[in-house]
Amino acid sequence: SQQGEEDPQALSIQEGENATMNCSYKTSINNLQWYRQNSGRGLVHLILIRSNEREKHSGRLRVTLDTSKKSSSLLITASRAADTASYFCATPAGNKLTFGGGTRVLVKP
Amino acid sequence: DTEVTQTPKHLVMGMTNKKSLKCEQHMGHRAMYWYKQKAKKPPELMFVYSYEKLSINESVPSRFSPECPNSSLLNLHLHALQPEDSALYLCASSQEDRAVQPQHFGDGTRLSIL
Repeated sequence: SQQGEEDPQALSIQEGENATMNCSYKTSINNLQWYRQNSGRGLVHLILIRSNEREKHSGRLRVTLDTSKKSSSLLITASRAADTASYFCATPAGNKLTFGGGTRVLVKP
Repeated sequence: DTEVTQTPKHLVMGMTNKKSLKCEQHMGHRAMYWYKQKAKKPPELMFVYSYEKLSINESVPSRFSPECPNSSLLNLHLHALQPEDSALYLCASSQEDRAVQPQHFGDGTRLSIL
């Protein structure tokens, strides 16, 4: 069963715009990870945020975590066509990772 | 290029065939994973190996048989599969089987069952 649920399921934006996607989860966690999956490829780890962190940056990516609301957001700034992909949040369940349903992002040139 | 290599990239097999998927990593990771992913769905965990021993089997049917010959290699043996088993099979690895560590994925084997 999925621990994380993502919103929106799909997102279409113009190149240069920002893209924001959200992940909600059900049980307490000690970290949350975000992954990207380009069409026909495997998942690529983007960022890991720990439960004692509220915000983390990596290049054009900004991730927030609100443990009181059990939610996280991923912001991609100044999007590029190469950012077209599916984005998944992943939360721990014991020693396993459980992936959310994903957000499909289309960046139009 | 990914650091986890999966072969073959594509596989078409009949329901009576026996085939194997292979996965290799040289990052010194001690945990390796098999996931199944259907179109437009998230990956679903199948098996976890930790230090070459099977640590998690997510109630996967016995027609899927994992094997970890050494710390760098992971196989998935397939026998008598069903059409619903058609999917992308992803291998991943991490330093250890702890969910606080990032997982590194291969590009998968796209499997079609006729």
